[in-house]
Amino acid sequence: QKEVEQNSGPLSVPEGAIASLNCTYSDRGSQSFFWYRQYSGKSPELIMFIYSNGDKEDGRFTAQLNKASQYVSLLIRDSQPSDSATYLCAVKVPLGSGYALNFGKGTSLLVTP
Amino acid sequence: NAGVMQNPRHLVRRRGQEARLRCSPMKGHSHVYWYRQLPEEGLKFMVYLQKENIIDESGMPKERFSAEFPKEGPSILRIQQVVRGDSAAYFCASSPGVGRSRHSYEQYFGPGTRLTVT
Repeated sequence: QKEVEQNSGPLSVPEGAIASLNCTYSDRGSQSFFWYRQYSGKSPELIMFIYSNGDKEDGRFTAQLNKASQYVSLLIRDSQPSDSATYLCAVKVPLGSGYALNFGKGTSLLVTP
Repeated sequence: NAGVMQNPRHLVRRRGQEARLRCSPMKGHSHVYWYRQLPEEGLKFMVYLQKENIIDESGMPKERFSAEFPKEGPSILRIQQVVRGDSAAYFCASSPGVGRSRHSYEQYFGPGTRLTVT
């Protein structure tokens, strides 16, 4: 089983700060990466996906991918208490015309007012 | 535009009973995926189905678990003779499959079924 590793946290940041969430993966052939947010007792919600090396920005969120280092990160600018959740990193595993998501265990983020 | 629907949302079964979990994909989606989230564990892929076909079931336990996605109706995840270790949240996700849009491959998750085995 290919590994996707995340620091479980909790990561605590003050309101308004930048939260940095990190993820490493073991399969060098992986091509596509996803960040999901999961509130306690709820289902995962897609935040961003990234395929190319470099940065991808969407509002307060920036995903960063470095395939050489097998590293993907998520930055959340101007963190809000409502961002407090578990953030799941996932790697796409191709299966025919579809794919499975290989998830890390998630990083718990706590944004304090 | 209704999202992925799952029912029941909560299911309690005694050891040895059968559990049936249902998933209706988003309208227009032909690919269904089942994942399981055990307490304190990450989400784990179980099975990938298209209409009337199991495409990949590499994540399914070898015994007691089965899945189907019939031509008509929802996808069903069936767990026979449940044990306490089956207690978990079971999530279904769907995607449109191959298409021109860059979003074709995104998986959208349903609200999940929380199974408790007593």
